[in-house]
Amino acid sequence: DIVMTQSPLSLPVTPGEPASISCRSSQSLLYSNGHTYLDWYLQKPGQSPQLLISMVSNRASGVPDRFSGSGSGTDFTLKISRVEAEDVGVYHCMQGVQIPFTFGPGTKVEIK
Amino acid sequence: QVQLQESGPGLVKPSQTLSLTCTVSGGSISSGGHCWSWIRQPAGKGLEWIGRFHGSGYINYNPSLRSRVTISLDTSKNQLSLSLTSVTAADTAVYYCARDPENGVGNYMDVWGKGTTVTVSS
Repeated sequence: DIVMTQSPLSLPVTPGEPASISCRSSQSLLYSNGHTYLDWYLQKPGQSPQLLISMVSNRASGVPDRFSGSGSGTDFTLKISRVEAEDVGVYHCMQGVQIPFTFGPGTKVEIK
Repeated sequence: QVQLQESGPGLVKPSQTLSLTCTVSGGSISSGGHCWSWIRQPAGKGLEWIGRFHGSGYINYNPSLRSRVTISLDTSKNQLSLSLTSVTAADTAVYYCARDPENGVGNYMDVWGKGTTVTVSS
């Protein structure tokens, strides 16, 4: 299985300030078709996960443009340009290049 | 707008079979253009992908659960089902169903149910 790691696991943030989460995979997430299968999900407190970004950098419908994804191969980053209070929760990265799909351990973002 | 709702018994005894359903509303589960997945999350832990019913008609399973899991579609009821045999306390988790809108082209999940909590205990 592809192992996904995230850092940090806990991220205290100040509203209005930027934030960044790293996700690394044990194998390249680049598929032979040229696509890279790395997604980001946010799980707000008491809720189910919601899609933020698919295939490295494609924001899902309704996701604010303060969220951006980047990376390639095995190293990926989710950035929030200016954190808002509603952004608290656990951020999960997931690889979809190989069955079984696997998730990172999650990064808990909370307001300082 | 497609919505997913998981349902099933909240409590299952060890060694028994867990059966869950995911009811799809606002769209057809048999349109063929989507994949339907099961994912679970033990309390305070990360997400684990269990498997999916691909819109092309085949099923992918997590090898770690393959010997105990069956995923199926009931198109007459617009439902996705999960069966997990020989459960133990390690199967205690919130179980989610989710939709991949591109039939595996992107392998991402854009719609999730609220989840159903399953506890395995005697």
